[in-house]
This record gives sequence, C-alpha cells and structure tokens, in this order.
Amino acid sequence: DAKTTQPNSMESNEEEPVHLPCNHSTISGTDYIHWYRQLPSQGPEYVIHGLTSNVNNRMASLAIAEDRKSSTLILHRATLRDAAVYYCILRGGNYGGSQGNLIFGKGTKLSVKP
Amino acid sequence: NAGVMQNPRHLVRRRGQEARLRCSPMKGHSHVYWYRQLPEEGLKFMVYLQKENIIDESGMPKERFSAEFPKEGPSILRIQQVVRGDSAAYFCASSLNSGRAAPGHEQYFGPGTRLTVT
Repeated sequence: DAKTTQPNSMESNEEEPVHLPCNHSTISGTDYIHWYRQLPSQGPEYVIHGLTSNVNNRMASLAIAEDRKSSTLILHRATLRDAAVYYCILRGGNYGGSQGNLIFGKGTKLSVKP
Repeated sequence: NAGVMQNPRHLVRRRGQEARLRCSPMKGHSHVYWYRQLPEEGLKFMVYLQKENIIDESGMPKERFSAEFPKEGPSILRIQQVVRGDSAAYFCASSLNSGRAAPGHEQYFGPGTRLTVT
C-alpha cells in the first residue's frame, strides 16, 4: 500500500498556479518525498524531491510542512502540457522497497482548462 | 543522449504464447526497474536488476514471469504462456544510482510496451 493520500482529481485554468496536496502522516525521519507525473499514454517522469526544506527546480516547487506530515507540489503557471496524473511517493525508511523501487499510489489527475 | 528505449511499443499475443519485452536503459545507467500498469490501475513494481543480477523481484508473479539484464544488451522481461490478465502496459525505468535521494537516483521511464493478449 502507498503511504500517501492525494485527492483523486483537480482542475486548473491555464497559466494559473496549481497546488497539489499530499498527506503522509506516518512519514519517518529518513523518508524523502518524491513527485513523479505521468502524461497520457506515456511513462512517468521525475518532477522533484525533498526531505525537510522547500525545493525549487525548473519544473516545480515542493513545499514541505514543518512537521513533514504533508507536502504540496506547486506548478507556478499551469500549461495544457501539465495535464497528467501526479504521484506523491515516499522513498527510504520503511518504504520504497529493498533498494529504491517506487511505490505508486493512485495519484491526482490534474486537468488544465484553456 | 537517448532516453530509455523500449520495444516493441505494442505487442499482440494469443493466449499460451510467449511475450518478450526489451528495455535499453539510458547510457551509463546500470540500474533497471520494470513496472506494470493494468488497465485503470496504478503502476506496480515488478523487478529491479543491475547488470547480470536480480536485486529485488518481490513484485514478480511467481510463475511464468522472468527478467534478465545481461552484461551486454538490453534488459528482457519474459512472459511465458500469456493469459488475458497479462494485458497491460509494461514500463521500464533506469537510474544512475539506486539510493533514495543520492545524485542520480531519479528513475527515467521508457514509453512502455502495451501488451494485448487475445
């Protein structure tokens, strides 16, 4: 079982920011929070990861709550190409398999309206 | 730098036949993972391999499925005597390292092989 909880679906308007939430109340101190996304008919792609501090990269930002029981993936300006299923995944500690396989939940299906 | 390559992209097999799915990891990557996505379901881990070694096969069905990653050539996922329930998208991923957050931990996925069993 995935140890994260995400809304099944979200909608956004093009060029507006999107905040995708993830709850992981049983996270351990050594678990990293990773985000991947899967565009329609494609394989997943890595988006971002973090441990405690907020993280930014060219694709998105990751805001991690102080108690680390939740996090939010932020797309600053959604485009039509961002329509995908977004997966919040914990790695390390008790999760992630023996040495790094990803455990995917159901994710959040993001729809972007023009 | 070519990404992860998978072939064939689409494969149709009759019940009882064998299916061979190939995956060429990104250049320089020695860690390969196979995942399966059944229709309307999430991705499930199947097996993790390094060159010539199976590291974790905890997600592999006990029968009919096998995987290898030889010293030379692509990784192969082999399904013997396919059944309709094997119809799914099979994704291969590769990474430079396997640590949960070490540099190079990101998994790069191929476009998948969509297997249809008739």
